Order: sequence, then structure tokens, then C-alpha cells
Amino acid sequence: NAGVTQTPKFRVLKTGQSMTLLCAQDMNHEYMYWYRQDPGMGLRLIHYSVGEGTTAKGEVPDGYNVSRLKKQNFLLGLESAAPSQTSVYFCASSLSSGGAETQYFGPGTRLLVL
Amino acid sequence: GQNIDQPTEMTATEGAIVQINCTYQTSGFNGLFWYQQHAGEAPTFLSYNVLDGLEEKGRFSSFLSRSKGYSYLLLKELQMKDSASYLCAVLDSNYQLIWGAGTKLIIKP
Repeated sequence: NAGVTQTPKFRVLKTGQSMTLLCAQDMNHEYMYWYRQDPGMGLRLIHYSVGEGTTAKGEVPDGYNVSRLKKQNFLLGLESAAPSQTSVYFCASSLSSGGAETQYFGPGTRLLVL
Repeated sequence: GQNIDQPTEMTATEGAIVQINCTYQTSGFNGLFWYQQHAGEAPTFLSYNVLDGLEEKGRFSSFLSRSKGYSYLLLKELQMKDSASYLCAVLDSNYQLIWGAGTKLIIKP
């Protein structure tokens, strides 16, 4: 039982390049989330999904796109990377969104955009 | 707007007790979480409070006062491995987590 996994662990991009971050979970969770974490700031929600085939915008969605074609996978895409997207990206999943449902986090992807 | 405030950094001594405070102003309230995050790692769940009062779990306890918009995390018998950041997060009326910036706890021998 791997929990939540993310690939890659670290990536360097040049401005304007594109990339996709992959998140996978093996807990049969309905809800999945993409966050970014920057120094001195709380985790900020980029996009989330409440089930296979559905996605929704979070607090900071601009410059990112997501897809959830399979229940266990949640992809985050950067179409044209910018230095402002240098951050640590965390994927999380939960059984539902309500009450005491814990979010389980992946190990993170460290992205540097030059 | 929504806001969660925590001290940026705290220092404590091994074996002592430390209290990390969190105040919040959010649109609605469906519970408050505390997570622990070691440097370079993912956040991991510590506690959840939705009713007023103290929840105890081993060396860690979490307190909530909804009327004051206030919570604290109490860590007893501090160990070096408790050196980490502690994140406070509130589940708002849309059932989305609003996160504080975290409190970095430094434990000295």
C-alpha cells in the first residue's frame, strides 16, 4: 500500500516549457487535490477533483490545468512555465471532503523554473 | 477574507512543554486540523477538532474555542524528533481547507 505517490520528485524547467506532474493514490479515495507550498505562505489549493472525470478550480488555478481520467490518478499540467511557478507541489487525497476526513499527502515535487 | 494566523517560529527545550497557537477568521467552520511537516517532507495528520474543548492523543493535545476563533496544539515531553513545522488548517463552509503558514518548532537539547 504505497498511499499517495508523485512523479517526478524534482524538475528544472526553462521559462515557456511545459510539463505534467503525476499523482497516484491506491486508497480508492474519491477526492484529490493539488497544492503549492511557498516559503512564508500556507498551502494554497490549485485544483481539486471530487471524482473520476470531474475537476474544479481552487484558490490559485491560473497557469495550470488538471485531468482525472482514472480515479487513482490526478495530473497537473503547466502549459508554459513561468518563474512564479517555482514552488513545491503537493498532491493529496481523501475519502470525502466532509468533517474529519483526513487528507493524505504525497512526498511533493520540487519545481524550479528558470 | 479568510485568515489563519500562527507564530512563524518557536524554540523549546527537549523534555519541556510547548503550546502553538492558531487564530482564524474564515467563512464558515467545519473543523480545524493540525498537521506536522518535517523539513523536505509531506504534511502528516495530527489532530482534528470540531467541538470546543481539549482532545488528547498521547504527548499531543489540541484545544478549540469556536467562539474565540482559537486553537492551540500542546506538545509535552518534547523530543528532538518533534522539530518540524506545525500547520493549522480550517475546513470552511465549502469544505475546503484554508491553511496557515505554519509554525517552525526548533527543539534544543
